Amino acid sequence: KAGVTQTPRYLIKTRGQQVTLSCSPISGHRSVSWYQQTPGQGLQFLFEYFSETQRNKGNFPGRFSGRQFSNSRSEMNVSTLELGDSALYLCASSASGGDTDEQFFGPGTRLTVL
Amino acid sequence: GQQVMQIPQYQHVQEGEDFTTYCNSSTTLSNIQWYKQRPGGHPVFLIQLVKSGEVKKQKRLTFQFGEAKKNSSLHITATQTTDVGTYFCAGPNRGSTLGRLYFGRGTQLTVWP
Repeated sequence: KAGVTQTPRYLIKTRGQQVTLSCSPISGHRSVSWYQQTPGQGLQFLFEYFSETQRNKGNFPGRFSGRQFSNSRSEMNVSTLELGDSALYLCASSASGGDTDEQFFGPGTRLTVL
Repeated sequence: GQQVMQIPQYQHVQEGEDFTTYCNSSTTLSNIQWYKQRPGGHPVFLIQLVKSGEVKKQKRLTFQFGEAKKNSSLHITATQTTDVGTYFCAGPNRGSTLGRLYFGRGTQLTVWP
C-alpha cells in the first residue's frame, strides 16, 4: 500500500502570496488532518476532514483553509502569506479518524516565506 | 481546552544511558499514542495504550499508561544512536469519536556516541 503523499515537497513564496498544498491519503482512508510544525512548537493542529466535511478546526486565522475531495485527497490553502507561516506542513491520514485510529503522516511540505 | 503536556523538551544522553519522557493530560484520555520523528523525517506511529495502568514493551522501549489515564511515559533502556529523534505523545478527547489528536510538544532526544 502506498503511503501518504504530499506535494510539493518544498515551496518558496513571498509575503502576500497564497499557496496551495496537496495531500493524498492512504487508499481507503477517509480522514485527513493537517498540522503545522515549527521548531520548538511541536505539531499545531490546523483542521481535519472526513468525507469532504471539516470536522475539527484548530486555532488558526481564516487565512488557513482546506478542503477534501470525494476521493479523500485534501488540499490546504494559505492566503496572504506572512513570514511566520514558514513551517513544515504535515498531513496525516487515518481510516476514519476514530479515537483509536493510528495516524499515518506524509513527508510534509516545507514552506519558506520570504 | 484539552492540553497534553510533555517533558522534558530536550534530553541529551550518552549512548548506553537510559531515557524517559513524560506526558500529562489535563483531562482523562480514552487512549494515548506515541510517535517518533527522526531528524528531517515525519512522525511515525510507535504504539497505542488503551487500558488503565497498561504497560507495553517494544525491545528496549517501555510504554506506560497511568492508572487515572491522565499520564503516560516512554522509557528507553540503554539508548543507541538510532534512538535519536523527537518523541511525541498524543491523545483524543475522552468520549470523542471525531478525529482530533492532541499532541504534546515532544521530547527531542540526542544521543552521543
